[in-house]
Amino acid sequence: NAGVMQNPRHLVRRRGQEARLRCSPMKGHSHVYWYRQLPEEGLKFMVYLQKENIIDESGMPKERFSAEFPKEGPSILRIQQVVRGDSAAYFCASSRQGEEYFGPGTRLTVL
Amino acid sequence: AQSVTQLDSQVPVFEEAPVELRCNYSSSVSVYLFWYVQYPNQGLQLLLKYLSGSTLVKGINGFEAEFNKSQTSFHLRKPSVHISDTAEYFCAVITNTGGFKTIFGAGTRLFVKA
Repeated sequence: NAGVMQNPRHLVRRRGQEARLRCSPMKGHSHVYWYRQLPEEGLKFMVYLQKENIIDESGMPKERFSAEFPKEGPSILRIQQVVRGDSAAYFCASSRQGEEYFGPGTRLTVL
Repeated sequence: AQSVTQLDSQVPVFEEAPVELRCNYSSSVSVYLFWYVQYPNQGLQLLLKYLSGSTLVKGINGFEAEFNKSQTSFHLRKPSVHISDTAEYFCAVITNTGGFKTIFGAGTRLFVKA
């Protein structure tokens, strides 16, 4: 049973470009969470999704960030017009209900 | 609102010495408690968790933690550390309000010296 998969593991973008981060939850998990870890900091909750629904996006920046979890396929975290401050590790987690299982993360570097 | 406080940002310790990493949480409802370890440039690995039952929880790599409801604490301990335990450790809490999202502490960097 494969764990939570995230790709790419490393992503480099120039300021103003778009970044797309993908997360495939564990088999049978319908809840997906995205977290951001800025350098030298802990993880901060961004958004919680179930299939085709955003349940809680209280941690998402108001602009440029969006997330989806379609009926088929991985969850996508999309960052438009990236800025240097978006450089961070982005972690996805999935669960059935309760304990979350974390992916290896995507490290975004904005030049 | 729930919050997690890790009282020490860095803990230096000599190899084979005991260590305790402190964690306090605030929540008015029942919680699930976790400790994760993160090695440099890697993801999170679950060390141990408290869901219910015995308040003393044993995890991987010789770590254990004790849930103390009256003090709202969940301190992590290891009787004898190794160089390989050098990493960042995160305490986390999940409550069943707002969809089971995890609230993390800021992390404690454990640095084991030879």
